[in-house]
Amino acid sequence: LAKTTQPISMDSYEGQEVNITCSHNNIATNDYITWYQQFPSQGPRFIIQGYKTKVTNEVASLFIPADRKSSTLSLPRVSLSDTAVYYCLVGDREGGGSYIPTFGRGTSLIVHP
Amino acid sequence: DTAVSQTPKYLVTQMGNDKSIKCEQNLGHDTMYWYKQDSKKFLKIMFSYNNKELIINETVPNRFSPKSPDKAHLNLHINSLELGDSAVYFCASSPRDPRDSGNTIYFGEGSWLTVV
Repeated sequence: LAKTTQPISMDSYEGQEVNITCSHNNIATNDYITWYQQFPSQGPRFIIQGYKTKVTNEVASLFIPADRKSSTLSLPRVSLSDTAVYYCLVGDREGGGSYIPTFGRGTSLIVHP
Repeated sequence: DTAVSQTPKYLVTQMGNDKSIKCEQNLGHDTMYWYKQDSKKFLKIMFSYNNKELIINETVPNRFSPKSPDKAHLNLHINSLELGDSAVYFCASSPRDPRDSGNTIYFGEGSWLTVV
């Protein structure tokens, strides 16, 4: 059972780098870590995915330490439009069985002018 | 051009009624899902179908019944609606089996259900 823990909310200012950390102490050996972004009144959308070390795309970076018990989503130079809820998805394996894509509560990021 | 579309977007109904939410995806994906998001933003999986076969069926009251007539459609029917059913329901799809952790899930815009 890989439950995730994220801060409920974070505040930042335009132009700053934002790091959101997700704890997943019981992540299964073969499971990926995926982050999603959700704007108000919209469905979540994929941001980035990784298995270990560092992954970077045009939107964000994802840092995963060697033990994979946590991961950090890094958003460089945020703008007001980055205000959203960010979800870390590791999923559950109930009883060590099949993977179930279960999201947590997410982190509500508010970017201030 | 909408990849995952669901209707209606807003639904207000009285307790005890039966209602349906329809979902269609034009991405050619084999897997579809229903998620429920409560007021605290907790996003909980309800069901998942892969090639019309029910793969994931989480602890959901049997008043909720999914129906997948084909790979591109997954509808959600809710009987005897209760106040606690008020939430946002998201339909989603993915190219791979829902049990693949490397999957990417594509969500619809959501259906806001209010039970009064």
